[in-house]
Amino acid sequence: QSALTQPASVSGSPGQSITISCTGTSSDVGGYNYVSWYQHHPGKVPKLMIYDVSNRPSGVSNRFSGSKSGNTASLTISGLQAEDETDYYCSSYTSSSTYVFGTGTKVTVL
Amino acid sequence: EVRLVESGGGLVQRGGSLRLSCAASGFPFSTYWMSWVRQAPGKGLEWVANIKLDGSEKYYVDSVKGRFTISRDDDKNSLYLQMNSLRAEDTAVYYCARDTRRFLWFGEPWGQGTLVTVSS
Repeated sequence: QSALTQPASVSGSPGQSITISCTGTSSDVGGYNYVSWYQHHPGKVPKLMIYDVSNRPSGVSNRFSGSKSGNTASLTISGLQAEDETDYYCSSYTSSSTYVFGTGTKVTVL
Repeated sequence: EVRLVESGGGLVQRGGSLRLSCAASGFPFSTYWMSWVRQAPGKGLEWVANIKLDGSEKYYVDSVKGRFTISRDDDKNSLYLQMNSLRAEDTAVYYCARDTRRFLWFGEPWGQGTLVTVSS
């Protein structure tokens, strides 16, 4: 049950695109198309941004997109905006009927 | 809208016990798995436990096995987490979430979770 690996921080200028990686194993990310991404502002509950690798819940901006290749999933934020500055976590359902989260990435808008 | 309201957190001594509750509304509670997730101060999110819709299956992260027990009362639309033998590293904000067995849904954004502080 080791945490998925994410970069500690990613930054970009307004309008640019950034990508956050999430690396796991064949027992989680690589084994299922059940990768999800959460935006987490301090003091609030995590907000689901992407589910099942690349699907967006209703109400989530199409500037957010997800993909996966092998044991690594990615979240791309295009047209970066000041309001995107916060923490992001990936998660994967696992072969043990449990979940594992990523280590978290702090996004900074320069 | 999915509404999940956690309660029961507080300050407890190391080795003590606490029972968290989560009141659910806005969806058919009895037809969903449910999970608990926590975030320790300055740390990332950590999945803690989940329970099947009929309570027949329960899974836990290794660090809480044998100490925490997840349960549910479908008549009351409520989820619980009984925490025993608490350790300093259990200090965290605890969130409940609707569990689709693919992803977690934490409810409306204004939710806050419930803070558990274990003093040594």
